[in-house]
Amino acid sequence: EPEVTQTPSHQVTQMGQEVILRCVPISNHLYFYWYRQILGQKVEFLVSFYNNEISEKSEIFDDQFSVERPDGSNFTLKIRSTKLEDSAMYFCASGVLAGNEQFFGPGTRLTVL
Amino acid sequence: GIQVEQSPPDLILQEGANSTLRCNFSDSVNNLQWFHQNPWGQLINLFYIPSGTKQNGRLSATTVATERYSLLYISSSQTTDSGVYFCAAPGSWGGNTPLVFGKGTRLSVIA
Repeated sequence: EPEVTQTPSHQVTQMGQEVILRCVPISNHLYFYWYRQILGQKVEFLVSFYNNEISEKSEIFDDQFSVERPDGSNFTLKIRSTKLEDSAMYFCASGVLAGNEQFFGPGTRLTVL
Repeated sequence: GIQVEQSPPDLILQEGANSTLRCNFSDSVNNLQWFHQNPWGQLINLFYIPSGTKQNGRLSATTVATERYSLLYISSSQTTDSGVYFCAAPGSWGGNTPLVFGKGTRLSVIA
């Protein structure tokens, strides 16, 4: 069964460093999302992406964040200058149709020291 | 935007017991998903259930869209069922709308 994959599973970085989190959505999906979950809290929406542009973004998704679909398979989230409060689990999701089921990847645990 | 409330926040079960988890949402939805977050933090898709009832092994879910709630039933619970269960619904009707998650129900199944 096709699934969303994410790499790395765990990333440790120093405050101020740039990180790129990578996702490979399910191949025939057109809608892509990033969510994050700070430890012990609920999952929060960051950004959605369709047709090579951002569809919607939350107030969390400030100028430090960017997303890209550099080729036909990868979907990346870049954090330009990490802060301690960026430490969280980051989930990528994809879907065939807008508003329908979203399929989540296993997540990348980001630790900022 | 939509509000998603889950109850109970915590639940402790003896292995073999049954349980019902509830998800209330504040507005009409065309999508409702249940997830299990395992101890490693991974989100596992359980059900996509905008309405009606679905079953998958010991788990089943029912969404009554007109009354704005969904229930997740776990029967004959096992220790591997432990973790946090989340429900999520679209923030608004239609379009490429993101999911809004509840705060989850933390389930502990004790042998």
